[in-house]
Amino acid sequence: ETGVTQTPRHLVMGMTNKKSLKCEQHLGHNAMYWYKQSAKKPLELMFVYSLEERVENNSVPSRFSPECPNSSHLFLHLHTLQPEDSALYLCASSQEQGTGANVLTFGAGSRLTVL
Amino acid sequence: QQQVKQSPQSLIVQKGGIPIINCAYENTAFDYFPWYQQFPGKGPALLIAIRPDVSEKKEGRFTISFNKSAKQFSLHIMDSQPGDSATYFCAASYTGGFKTIFGAGTRLFVKA
Repeated sequence: ETGVTQTPRHLVMGMTNKKSLKCEQHLGHNAMYWYKQSAKKPLELMFVYSLEERVENNSVPSRFSPECPNSSHLFLHLHTLQPEDSALYLCASSQEQGTGANVLTFGAGSRLTVL
Repeated sequence: QQQVKQSPQSLIVQKGGIPIINCAYENTAFDYFPWYQQFPGKGPALLIAIRPDVSEKKEGRFTISFNKSAKQFSLHIMDSQPGDSATYFCAASYTGGFKTIFGAGTRLFVKA
């Protein structure tokens, strides 16, 4: 496996379900991100972890709960979601190189549908 | 102040044409301006990027023009091909920060 891998690629869940999205990066990067992509809207940054510590939390509802057990893995735990949470959830990673350029490598995304 | 405004929302050009996508920002603290390309079923991938100390950067058929005083930058695709059909996102970030702000995206279709 290379790059950033996300599973599952597609997920359908009811509003009372609990599920998790998983992301794994094989690049040796030290930062990982969750972004939400909705149609015709900018990508929305949800969470950032740097060296396994959360450094950004962009006013995301508590029904989304991130977990970063190590620098290669990132999870997004989902519970009691709303239909408006249906979107493509993108995981990304980056490596701080001291140049200031924050180059993101994205996974293919997990398409979530909330019924 | 954290927004990046992108236009147009969609664009159709003939093969060989030069599509131009424009972006504008407000926060002068931004010092890194990348463009990402996204194909259906894939995540965005870095295409080309520029810093505000240069006015133009070329990589192959892709060119970024940067106007620091106007706080605007644009992507030009020379000799566009059907394989360039994708969604393009401009973005902005600043040194030492983890927050990359994205535009809303431009869906480009290049007709054969």
